[in-house]
Amino acid sequence: DADVTQTPRNRITKTGKRIMLECSQTKGHDRMYWYRQDPGLGLRLIYYSFDVKDINKGEISDGYSVSRQAQAKFSLSLESAIPNQTALYFCATSDPGGTDTQYFGPGTRLTVL
Amino acid sequence: GENVEQHPSTLSVQEGDSAVIKCTYSDSASNYFPWYKQELGKGPQLIIDIRSNVGEKKDQRIAVTLNKTAKHFSLHITETQPEDSAVYFCAASITSYDKVIFGPGTSLSVIP
Repeated sequence: DADVTQTPRNRITKTGKRIMLECSQTKGHDRMYWYRQDPGLGLRLIYYSFDVKDINKGEISDGYSVSRQAQAKFSLSLESAIPNQTALYFCATSDPGGTDTQYFGPGTRLTVL
Repeated sequence: GENVEQHPSTLSVQEGDSAVIKCTYSDSASNYFPWYKQELGKGPQLIIDIRSNVGEKKDQRIAVTLNKTAKHFSLHITETQPEDSAVYFCAASITSYDKVIFGPGTSLSVIP
């Protein structure tokens, strides 16, 4: 089984709808991240969490919110989706006591019409 | 904050040739520089990394060099193979904060 899973893998929604992307990990890592990938822009950090009680904004947090329900779960919400939030979204984890490596999930492709 | 630039954005090489991807960073406090490979339909995966106390690191056909004075680092792939075709991302971070800033990516195509 994959260490970092994301649901759904694909989602099409309409402008103004609320949508939640979920991430679960079995690696036992404290640190979790949400990134957005757009062509030519690479991976941009939306939010990150260093433990269950710690939530931090990244480069592009406007229009997004997150919830760290448990060490293993980190959800990303779009309260009112807009077309320019159409992108590929990745969740990642890392182990602060380890090698700084980030482990990415398979991604969620979100389309906002 | 940190800014990472990466060149070229696309790169095509013949199988067996070498490929070089170059990155620059802005924050002199950065001391950890990983490289990730993203295959089609998958999430990025770490292939090699280097820390600021080392100038070069090699792992089989892949090598990374770091010039802290000039604030740039490069990925070298020798004897390229079709399975090397992917998008490659460089990144930089200050290890203690562990917030990694990624470059925009390089799409590498290896032509058989």
